[in-house]
Amino acid sequence: NAGVTQTPKFRILKIGQSMTLQCTQDMNHNYMYWYRQDPGMGLKLIYYSVGAGITDKGEVPNGYNVSRSTTEDFPLRLELAAPSQTSVYFCASSLPRGGANVLTFGAGSRLTVL
Amino acid sequence: DQQVKQNSPSLSVQEGRISILNCDYTNSMFDYFLWYKKYPAEGPTFLISISSIKDKNEDGRFTVFLNKSAKHLSLHIVPSQPGDSAVYFCAASYLQGAQKLVFGQGTRLTINP
Repeated sequence: NAGVTQTPKFRILKIGQSMTLQCTQDMNHNYMYWYRQDPGMGLKLIYYSVGAGITDKGEVPNGYNVSRSTTEDFPLRLELAAPSQTSVYFCASSLPRGGANVLTFGAGSRLTVL
Repeated sequence: DQQVKQNSPSLSVQEGRISILNCDYTNSMFDYFLWYKKYPAEGPTFLISISSIKDKNEDGRFTVFLNKSAKHLSLHIVPSQPGDSAVYFCAASYLQGAQKLVFGQGTRLTINP
């Protein structure tokens, strides 16, 4: 059982380049999230999805796009990379059933924009 | 506006003693509070949660206390072990909607032998 898988683990981009961070989960979770973590800061929500075909903005969506064509996959697209997007990105998924919404996180993707 | 705050960036505790990590929040509408633990180069992993209608939840060496009037919660680890050295994040969520988690800044706990 792989859980939440993120690729790539590391990437260096030049300013203005674009790339996609991949995220896939095999737990049949309907909710998926993208967070970013900057040094000394907590996790900030970028985008989230409550099911295939449904996405919405989180706290810090500028410069990013997402799509959710299947239950399993939730890719995050960075257009025109900027140094401010240097961060560690975490994808997460959950299956809320009442009670606390426990998110399962991937191992993270470390992105550096130079 | 930081809705969930962890004001101590770091904490150092001797092995075998109690570790107390603190968290404050501003929004009284949160329904659940969660603690996550994070090791370097890994994603956060869920530790323990508490409902806003409770004031204590215990799971083995971990206990979370909630003081709603003070908008404050704390995580107690007894006894502390070297493997507990990690960054601990406090998070809060609503029961309705997308149930997004709002995270604090994290506290780095170091357990000294």
